[in-house]
Amino acid sequence: GAVVSQHPSRVICKSGTSVKIECRSLDFQATTMFWYRQFPKQSLMLMATSNEGSKATYEQGVEKDKFLINHASLTLSTLTVTSAHPEDSSFYICSARDWRGLDTQYFGPGTRLTVL
Amino acid sequence: AQTVTQSQPEMSVQEAETVTLSCTYDTSESDYYLFWYKQPPSRQMILVIRQEAYKQQNATENRFSVNFQKAAKSFSLKISDSQLGDAAMYFCAYRSEIQAGTALIFGKGTTLSVSS
Repeated sequence: GAVVSQHPSRVICKSGTSVKIECRSLDFQATTMFWYRQFPKQSLMLMATSNEGSKATYEQGVEKDKFLINHASLTLSTLTVTSAHPEDSSFYICSARDWRGLDTQYFGPGTRLTVL
Repeated sequence: AQTVTQSQPEMSVQEAETVTLSCTYDTSESDYYLFWYKQPPSRQMILVIRQEAYKQQNATENRFSVNFQKAAKSFSLKISDSQLGDAAMYFCAYRSEIQAGTALIFGKGTTLSVSS
């Protein structure tokens, strides 16, 4: 299957700082990417849908100004957690939709964010 | 709105045995896709199997097969000849076909343990 990478895999930051997470589709172009948040032993919660060249669509309850999403190219979407607080600590996963063939979503390996 | 329900938070199976994970969903749409994803301890989401709603034939991928009952809105996963590497959290997911670009809707997951 197609490959999606995420960077960094782990990040620890101080409260009040901003953190950027990158999601890349390595062998296909992804006009649509998704950002999820996952708490331990729980399901994936969709945060936003990122479309290349346009504004992201956020799910209800997700703060747009806190979780900035930029999908500036067909292979890269970024999630910036602004003014991070300990409650933002979580596992963030991106996925990219490969419209070729069977139109499948492929997932990145995730980023563990810890805010001190 | 569509929903996905996995009623078994945890399941266990012995090596070489067969186990079935349950999933039901609710939708008013007639065209959609259903998926089973596996999330091992590494937390990388891995596509196990997919089913197009318009296909009556149940999907099969090696030791993994589904029992798709469209009228009952049921989509169970059968794992045959279970292996230690099958231990993971399994998520059932739904995707609309009508609303292009929509994200997957996940169930809460079933944690599968495999004993030798």
